[in-house]
Amino acid sequence: GQQLNQSPQSMFIQEGEDVSMNCTSSSIFNTWLWYKQEPGEGPVLLIALYKAGELTSNGRLTAQFGITRKDSFLNISASIPSDVGIYFCAHAGGTSYGKLTFGQGTILTVHP
Amino acid sequence: GAVVSQHPSRVICKSGTSVKIECRSLDFQATTMFWYRQFPKQSLMLMATSNEGSKATYEQGVEKDKFLINHASLTLSTLTVTSAHPEDSSFYICSARTSGGARVRGQFFGPGTRLTVL
Repeated sequence: GQQLNQSPQSMFIQEGEDVSMNCTSSSIFNTWLWYKQEPGEGPVLLIALYKAGELTSNGRLTAQFGITRKDSFLNISASIPSDVGIYFCAHAGGTSYGKLTFGQGTILTVHP
Repeated sequence: GAVVSQHPSRVICKSGTSVKIECRSLDFQATTMFWYRQFPKQSLMLMATSNEGSKATYEQGVEKDKFLINHASLTLSTLTVTSAHPEDSSFYICSARTSGGARVRGQFFGPGTRLTVL
């Protein structure tokens, strides 16, 4: 199947710091999605990207759809303890409504 | 809106028994639901696509006779793990896709079911 390479695998940061994570692929995608999963829960959609070059924000979160359509990044500004969790990138067949392929995930730990 | 529930949230069973997991879309109709499996410290892996009123489509490497899927209504899909073994222990997560004309569009995930097979 199509592989998504997500990095870093884990991050340990201090509260207030900014965070950046990214996903790359050898294939071109029409949709990039970013999810957050907290322990024992299902993933929750943070941001959906549909156009190459698109930059979208959701509060302290900002994500961009790479111009080559093969990569995307997610930034979190001024991190807080509740940002802790696993962040996944994912792509869908056509829209966010199709079956999803997930990246390996980035485990984020925020120290108060 | 667009809430998905799963039942049970966790289950412990003996090896060889079968376990049924329910996925319900509470406030919308879902013609398509998806079943994922997640092992500890790993990502979600799609197992199958469940379509209301028709047979499920399984991903490569997923045994359809072991993981039985029934999507009998527009709000309910069930996954039955038959003759469960310890290696089937995992976190099973479903998602539901809203149908056309829905107030909220997209794919929404349930809270997951933790299966432990002794």
